[in-house]
Amino acid sequence: EAGVAQSPRYKIIEKRQSVAFWCNPISGHATLYWYQQILGQGPKLLIQFQNNGVVDDSQLPKDRFSAERLKGVDSTLKIQPAKLEDSAVYLCASSPRTSGRSRETQYFGPGTRLLVL
Amino acid sequence: GESVGLHLPTLSVQEGDNSIINCAYSNSASDYFIWYKQESGKGPQFIIDIRSNMDKRQGQRVTVLLNKTVKHLSLQIAATQPGDSAVYFCADRQAGGTSYGKLTFGQGTILTVHP
Repeated sequence: EAGVAQSPRYKIIEKRQSVAFWCNPISGHATLYWYQQILGQGPKLLIQFQNNGVVDDSQLPKDRFSAERLKGVDSTLKIQPAKLEDSAVYLCASSPRTSGRSRETQYFGPGTRLLVL
Repeated sequence: GESVGLHLPTLSVQEGDNSIINCAYSNSASDYFIWYKQESGKGPQFIIDIRSNMDKRQGQRVTVLLNKTVKHLSLQIAATQPGDSAVYFCADRQAGGTSYGKLTFGQGTILTVHP
């Protein structure tokens, strides 16, 4: 079974520039997550999709970050304009579904390392 | 807000020893707990999970213990190997509410295994 795919793996940009990350979840997984992981910290959820709808975007800085999952499969995360503090690893994860009592393991991609100069 | 944290940021062990990584959580509404392993340059990899109605779960060389009374979670790795060297994160899932299914990760513990 193929895992979660992400691209690019690395990106270096200057502050105030724009950047976009792409994620392809595991086939059939309804739920997709974007996390931000700052060096030395655990991942922090930015946004969660269930199919193509947003379930939780409470920690997404909406003035500069946006994400979409138009057809309920692939997703893109965009930052515009980028700030120095956005330097981090952006992780995409997917799980089969989110439901009441199930144990929903999230499977992570390798991440995109962003450096903002 | 509620968070999951770790007692020890680093742990060094000799190959063959048993390792214990600890985690304290604060959200009494959490119903599911997971341990992830993250190697350098990679995304977190699922190790083992446990539901709140259990206090112990065993996998291959790993055991997770849950003490809800003191809100403590631990990961035990038997016969630790150099390949176990990584950062280990605990995470909890909040049951119910608008953040359903959301995982909250702790800070992480760096495990170094010396040959």
